[in-house]
Amino acid sequence: GAGVSQSPSNKVTEKGKDVELRCDPISGHTALYWYRQSLGQGLEFLIYFQGNSAPDKSGLPSDRFSAERTGGSVSTLTIQRTQQEDSAVYLCASTKTGTSGIYEQYFGPGTRLTVT
Amino acid sequence: TQLLEQSPQFLSIQEGENLTVYCNSSSVFSSLQWYRQEPGEGPVLLVTVVTGGEVKKLKRLTFQFGDARKDSSLHITAAQPGDTGLYLCAGGSNYKLTFGKGTLLTVNP
Repeated sequence: GAGVSQSPSNKVTEKGKDVELRCDPISGHTALYWYRQSLGQGLEFLIYFQGNSAPDKSGLPSDRFSAERTGGSVSTLTIQRTQQEDSAVYLCASTKTGTSGIYEQYFGPGTRLTVT
Repeated sequence: TQLLEQSPQFLSIQEGENLTVYCNSSSVFSSLQWYRQEPGEGPVLLVTVVTGGEVKKLKRLTFQFGDARKDSSLHITAAQPGDTGLYLCAGGSNYKLTFGKGTLLTVNP
């Protein structure tokens, strides 16, 4: 049983370039999340998908950030015109739709993004 | 905005010692989860507690959910170097979890 996978594991990019981060969730998990983790800041919620739709995009920090999910599976987080403050670890998590309101999350290993 | 405060932020102990870390909020959560994260990896779920006053044990780890479902604690008995990691608590009332900033535990051999 494969877990959540993310690619690339590390990405170094120049300020102003666009980047795409990929997440492959666990098969059958309908819900998918993107988080950002910065040193000392904890996990910051970015976006939540249920199937292919994103009912909660409230955590996206600016319009430079966007995400999509296709086929109820793979998701891509895109950051346009990257800035140095975008440097962080981007984590993806998936879960079955929660029963009794419980959403237990399975995380990927993350993508470490460094903007120079 | 729901917030979860974790304490202590850092903890360094010797192998064999006991420790407790805390997770506190002014908000009520329908469930609370604990995760452990090791360097270069994503968080891994340890336990979910849902009932006020609930106690769950996972080998040497004991988790407790407060009666009012606003706080939780994690107690580790006879800590081992393999327990080293970042311990995160996360409260949920629907699809969205609120994460604390974590307790970074180092267990020295």
